[in-house]
Amino acid sequence: QLVLTQSPSASASLGASVKLTCTLSSGHSSYDIAWHQQQPEKGPRYLMKLNSDGSHNKGDGIPDRFSGSSSGAERYLTISSLQSEDEADYYCQTWDTGIRVFGGGTKLTVL
Amino acid sequence: EVQLVESGGGLVQPGGSLRLSCAASGFTFSTYWMSWVRQAPGKGLEWVAHIKQDGSEKNYVDSVKGRFTISRDNAKNSLYLQMNSLRAEDTAVYYCARSSWHDYWGQGTLVTVSS
Repeated sequence: QLVLTQSPSASASLGASVKLTCTLSSGHSSYDIAWHQQQPEKGPRYLMKLNSDGSHNKGDGIPDRFSGSSSGAERYLTISSLQSEDEADYYCQTWDTGIRVFGGGTKLTVL
Repeated sequence: EVQLVESGGGLVQPGGSLRLSCAASGFTFSTYWMSWVRQAPGKGLEWVAHIKQDGSEKNYVDSVKGRFTISRDNAKNSLYLQMNSLRAEDTAVYYCARSSWHDYWGQGTLVTVSS
């Protein structure tokens, strides 16, 4: 079964960097994913498509501070030079034939 | 500029029906898979349904199978979600999203199922 696992919460200081993790279920380590951001009281926003080889394609207007990387079944979102507006929920997402799957989301707090 | 604008949400009693619409602009609608994704209050994102470019393939999350129907009208650049036999647990903000990667999202429309 295709499942994406995320830690429920993370925190980091203003100006620092943070690395969020999304883990693909067993047997699905080659899957590409997408990262989405949801700021408080707003709709989701597509950040990037992250491939299994670590290459990524960011959405329109996404700052260079956002980057992605991959290792095995792990997919990462790194946010550098954290700003207050980066405080948000971050979701990973993938798909297979007949299904789309979201991770449970990580709530990022900027201290 | 890509835009997705949902409408049709509101308050409905359990067992009732509602039809959501999503008006698309700024891209060639007929060339993209489209999805409905929902978010219950205080919860995460949940994929609900998606539809192929020509409408020939549709898939649903198990919890809505037999109750919800996704459709599209490529001539009108519009996506729809017909929701029947609504339950309290269907209460959520419903978003339409473009492509298998959900690379553009609408602002959402709130559906509240309550007596």
